[in-house]
Amino acid sequence: AQTVTQSQPEMSVQEAETVTLSCTYDTSESNYYLFWYKQPPSRQMILVIRQEAYKQQNATENRFSVNFQKAAKSFSLKISDSQLGDTAMYFCAFILGSYNNDMRFGAGTRLTVKP
Amino acid sequence: KAGVTQTPRYLIKTRGQQVTLSCSPISGHRSVSWYQQTPGQGLQFLFEYFSETQRNKGNFPGRFSGRQFSNSRSEMNVSTLELGDSALYLCASSPGTHASTDTQYFGPGTRLTVL
Repeated sequence: AQTVTQSQPEMSVQEAETVTLSCTYDTSESNYYLFWYKQPPSRQMILVIRQEAYKQQNATENRFSVNFQKAAKSFSLKISDSQLGDTAMYFCAFILGSYNNDMRFGAGTRLTVKP
Repeated sequence: KAGVTQTPRYLIKTRGQQVTLSCSPISGHRSVSWYQQTPGQGLQFLFEYFSETQRNKGNFPGRFSGRQFSNSRSEMNVSTLELGDSALYLCASSPGTHASTDTQYFGPGTRLTVL
């Protein structure tokens, strides 16, 4: 079974600083995809970044980047130049590379960006 | 393009009743997935519909069911409501053609409260 673990229930960071959110996962499969989703207080889940397991290069989207360590089954999210609008719940998610849309989520990390 | 819409946004029911939630996917998307979000269990996959057929199903009792119409709109139904069914129900749509390229886009959710 696939599981996703986020060990940091809450984190805070000062505006303009950098913060890293941790995520580990467990699977015996080799073809899968990893995601970070953001859920602001308004509740709409938004995709932040995705990573294909077969790609060694870490994904980057503007201020958001990941550190994907496949052997260690680790998938951390780095937010640079944190902004107040980054305050949200962040969920790490996993899906197998097939037609199976059964996405597994971690418990989430509540990030607060302080002015 | 308009995003994923869910109706109603809020719902209050009593134990034993049944409820139907609706989800309209992004235009052109053929896959609709449903998730239940609770503080205790986090985000859990309910089921996915693609081209009017249930393609995947999570580990939920038979009281939870769904369907998809020819225009890709989807409904989920919960019968004989229990207090534990109180949750935010999220719908996500994707093109549905292949998980390797698909991204799931989430709606704002329906907040169901069971009294």
